[in-house]
Amino acid sequence: DGGITQSPKYLFRKEGQNVTLSCEQNLNHDAMYWYRQDPGQGLRLIYYSQIVNDFQKGDIAEGYSVSREKKESFPLTVTSAQKNPTAFYLCASDPGQVSGQPQHFGDGTRLSIL
Amino acid sequence: KQEVTQIPAALSVPEGENLVLNCSFTDSAIYNLQWFRQDPGKGLTSLLLIQSSQREQTSGRLNASLDKSSGRSTLYIAASQPGDSATYLCAVPISSGSARQLTFGSGTQLTVLP
Repeated sequence: DGGITQSPKYLFRKEGQNVTLSCEQNLNHDAMYWYRQDPGQGLRLIYYSQIVNDFQKGDIAEGYSVSREKKESFPLTVTSAQKNPTAFYLCASDPGQVSGQPQHFGDGTRLSIL
Repeated sequence: KQEVTQIPAALSVPEGENLVLNCSFTDSAIYNLQWFRQDPGKGLTSLLLIQSSQREQTSGRLNASLDKSSGRSTLYIAASQPGDSATYLCAVPISSGSARQLTFGSGTQLTVLP
């Protein structure tokens, strides 16, 4: 089945540590996105990528980094510069240019501070 | 900057009741509008996508309408069931090349009582 796989489901970060969240899609989608969701809040865009080797900052990119070396993969690194990383992180993808196509989401990674 | 508001934040109804969820947005120059469902601890599932040229979309017991001029959308759920209990989010994209950044509302948490 086609879809988006996020791993791990739960992740714990120590002070000063960088952690990487994985996102893999087999939908052959060009565009991929990372969102952050805080309790009772909507989603906020961290980074997005339209094509391989290209990505742009979203509304809350500070303290995060991404790479897009392969079409299927869009990992997110939460760096030690992100002082409040506890949140639910969601990865999404869509075909990009094609109109009328909704974004597809993974099941998320919940990140907590140790 | 586009802002999306959803009212009410929470709603509890008895099984079998018809209900309406509301979504409003500040910038009417939208490409389309999407309604998503989110179950606790899970990612988002796309329910309906309405193109800017359309006024409504239907899927089963769900009907979404769009009034761009007034900056409003509604999601109508007919004959509600306990399985409909979830958080419902609306989102509008700001087209940027081939990627479509989404701006989300904070959601309406729906509880359908048996």
